[in-house]
Amino acid sequence: EAEVAQSPRYKITEKSQAVAFWCDPISGHATLYWYRQILGQGPELLVQFQDESVVDDSQLPKDRFSAERLKGVDSTLKIQPAELGDSAMYLCASSPGLGSNQPQHFGDGTRLSIL
Amino acid sequence: AQSVTQLGSHVSVSEGALVLLRCNYSSSVPPYLFWYVQYPNQGLQLLLKYTTGATLVKGINGFEAEFKKSETSFHLTKPSAHMSDAAEYFCAVINSGGYQKVTFGTGTKLQVIP
Repeated sequence: EAEVAQSPRYKITEKSQAVAFWCDPISGHATLYWYRQILGQGPELLVQFQDESVVDDSQLPKDRFSAERLKGVDSTLKIQPAELGDSAMYLCASSPGLGSNQPQHFGDGTRLSIL
Repeated sequence: AQSVTQLGSHVSVSEGALVLLRCNYSSSVPPYLFWYVQYPNQGLQLLLKYTTGATLVKGINGFEAEFKKSETSFHLTKPSAHMSDAAEYFCAVINSGGYQKVTFGTGTKLQVIP
């Protein structure tokens, strides 16, 4: 079982609906990442937090996606409205903090299917 | 800008044979390099990392990788494949400056044939 907790593990919803994912990083980890992984591809960074601040959301489709980490601990990623192309695995990862030699620890992800 | 290229989206080896998964990178600053493994419906698990120092790094499950600056490569090897090695493998590069921006390769799916 992954040290980074994510829920739900699976989500099936219809297009145009709202969907939310939750992530609880490893205790004490200042940096939190949300990735989208389409089947057969590598993870694509959506948003990166340092504590409660966003340091990179350049690939986040801001018209429909939002992310927050209000107290600098757990985080929520939301999609509204969901589209068919959003079907993917959404992965959360954390690392101790700034410092490029720190590997990321991943959760088991949320597999999203849009009908 | 940094990038990672993994040659071969699928690699098949016989059980007991050498595993070689290729990774080439580009980076404008000295890179930090990682290999991750992903089993179906799970997150990524760190296999090994190169930051500084010895260019041959050993990881978990008998894997190792060698950083070759002149070839901008970080290929992953294992002397003898085991059935449990069947998974998808991702190479990743992190820039050594600023915040920790990570770029992943597209992955290589390893099949182990009994």
